Amino acid sequence: EAGVVQSPRYKIIEKKQPVAFWCNPISGHNTLYWYLQNLGQGPELLIRYENEEAVDDSQLPKDRFSAERLKGVDSTLKIQPAELGDSAVYLCASSFGETGPLTDTQYFGPGTRLTVL
Amino acid sequence: DAKTTQPNSMESNEEEPVHLPCNHSTISGTDYIHWYRQLPSQGPEYVIHGLTSNVNNRMASLAIAEDRKSSTLILHRATLRDAAVYYCILRDGDTGNQFYFGTGTSLTVIP
Repeated sequence: EAGVVQSPRYKIIEKKQPVAFWCNPISGHNTLYWYLQNLGQGPELLIRYENEEAVDDSQLPKDRFSAERLKGVDSTLKIQPAELGDSAVYLCASSFGETGPLTDTQYFGPGTRLTVL
Repeated sequence: DAKTTQPNSMESNEEEPVHLPCNHSTISGTDYIHWYRQLPSQGPEYVIHGLTSNVNNRMASLAIAEDRKSSTLILHRATLRDAAVYYCILRDGDTGNQFYFGTGTSLTVIP
């Protein structure tokens, strides 16, 4: 069974440029998460989707970040414009969503490493 | 929001057991304790979770204190492949929405 797929794996851009990350979750997983991970830190949740609906986007910087999951399957996270401080690893995770949020296991992709110059 | 405290780093000899501690003194009654680990250049992966009772699976064991204010992840025989950052996480008991990873414990396994 394929895991969570993310692309690209690496991205280098200049500041003020836009960038987009794509995530394809495990088949059948209703819940999708985007995390940001800075060097030496644990992942921090940006947004959580239940099917097409963003049920928790309280940590998403909405002035420059946006996300969508139009058909309840794959998802795109966009930054426009990128800033130097956005350099980090962006992780996507998915979960089945049926056992409830307290016990639901998350499966992570390998992440996209963004470098903003 | 309940948070966890873990040592920044630990070392273990290969083939020996490893006990990774986690303090969560502000845990609420409905918070589940999750452990994930992150190998270099990979996303985190699930290890184990529990609520009140000790739990065992093929990867590890989770020992939860009676007052639930601390827990210990036990790797019974450390291998070089177990070198990773281990995160102890509380799943928010009210909403289930937040998943606070913290900085975790970086485990080094010595051959």
